Amino acid sequence: AQKITQTQPGMFVQEKEAVTLDCTYDTSDQSYGLFWYKQPSSGEMIFLIYQGSYDEQNATEGRYSLNFQKARKSANLVISASQLGDSAMYFCAMRDHDQTGANNLFFGTGTRLTVIP
Amino acid sequence: EPEVTQTPSHQVTQMGQEVILRCVPISNHLYFYWYRQILGQKVEFLVSFYNNEISEKSEIFDDQFSVERPDGSNFTLKIRSTKLEDSAMYFCASSERLAGVEQETQYFGPGTRLLVL
Repeated sequence: AQKITQTQPGMFVQEKEAVTLDCTYDTSDQSYGLFWYKQPSSGEMIFLIYQGSYDEQNATEGRYSLNFQKARKSANLVISASQLGDSAMYFCAMRDHDQTGANNLFFGTGTRLTVIP
Repeated sequence: EPEVTQTPSHQVTQMGQEVILRCVPISNHLYFYWYRQILGQKVEFLVSFYNNEISEKSEIFDDQFSVERPDGSNFTLKIRSTKLEDSAMYFCASSERLAGVEQETQYFGPGTRLLVL
């Protein structure tokens, strides 16, 4: 069974600074995928970034990057140049393949990020 | 940009009543999912659906739940006899299949907030 751990219930960051949100995972699978989603106060789930277990380079999407350390089983999200609009809940998730190939996501408990002006 | 849509955005119902939550996945996607998020908690997987049948379901997805793809565009979640603890945000998600391979990213709808009184 997969397990996702996010140890930071809340984080604060000054506007324009960088922030790292922690995520560790536990799996016995060799092939897996890791995701970060953003959930603003309006409630929707917004896909941010994906990292495959076999990807050799860390994923980047604009101001988001994923610090993937496979041996440590960590997949931390780094947000550079924080903006006020980055204030939201951030969820780390891992996918689990079932027999049809469908990907079921398992989520962590989330980190609430607050960007301070 | 194509997106997953869900209706209604909010639903209030009496305990014991049946509710149907509706989703329109992205049109070329073949994998469909339902997740739920109880207020203040993490997102939990309910069920995945592929090729007109359930591919996997969690222990939450008991006999009171059912899913259906009644036509080529809609994907529904039915809760037969709602309980107070069914109050949650329900998310639909979809992902596509390219060259016979499931693509990693699941795109979420905006959610339906269900309140059972």
